[in-house]
Amino acid sequence: NAGVTQTPKFQVLKTGQSMTLQCAQDMNHEYMSWYRQDPGMGLRLIHYSVGAGITDQGEVPNGYNVSRSTTEDFPLRLLSAAPSQTSVYFCASSRSSTLPNTEAFFGQGTRLTVV
Amino acid sequence: AQKITQTQPGMFVQEKEAVTLDCTYDTSDPSYGLFWYKQPSSGEMIFLIYQGSYDQQNATEGRYSLNFQKARKSANLVISASQLGDSAMYFCATNSGYSTLTFGKGTMLLVSP
Repeated sequence: NAGVTQTPKFQVLKTGQSMTLQCAQDMNHEYMSWYRQDPGMGLRLIHYSVGAGITDQGEVPNGYNVSRSTTEDFPLRLLSAAPSQTSVYFCASSRSSTLPNTEAFFGQGTRLTVV
Repeated sequence: AQKITQTQPGMFVQEKEAVTLDCTYDTSDPSYGLFWYKQPSSGEMIFLIYQGSYDQQNATEGRYSLNFQKARKSANLVISASQLGDSAMYFCATNSGYSTLTFGKGTMLLVSP
């Protein structure tokens, strides 16, 4: 019963490097999303997807790229890492994108530090 | 756009007492959900309770209840009989439309023996 799996759990990047945060869910959920959590800011939406092949921007999309080629996977790409992207990243999925009662299941988070 | 306001950065409560964590929301959508999540020091996000905008009764899940006052746009979380393991950050969130969750900034709850 894996749920939402994020890898890696920890990562240190140098400014300018690129990387991909992986997210996979095994619940056949339509909806997947990426959030970042910064101290005192709560969780803010980066990008989301309502199904394979469909993605859209959230509140803080700059510097990030996503794609959704399968229902299960929703990777988040940092194109050129900046210190401002130091954060904890959460991937979440939920079973429907059109009903109010759509509890989101979260991955364990990725703690990213950009130096 | 939706907005969640949690005005209590930190709360203290003694073990076995009840505590209320405040949450007010702002949304123009007629249909929406209200959620509470718990984040312990280990970092994971744990779903606690859900309230739908059309639900007539307040939601309850074990020791958690949601005091939903639609006219005031408030969705306070009540934890009865606090336990040491309840010490954590608590986030209120709302969704509408395509399930984009909007979170508040959170309230840190500390439960003392």
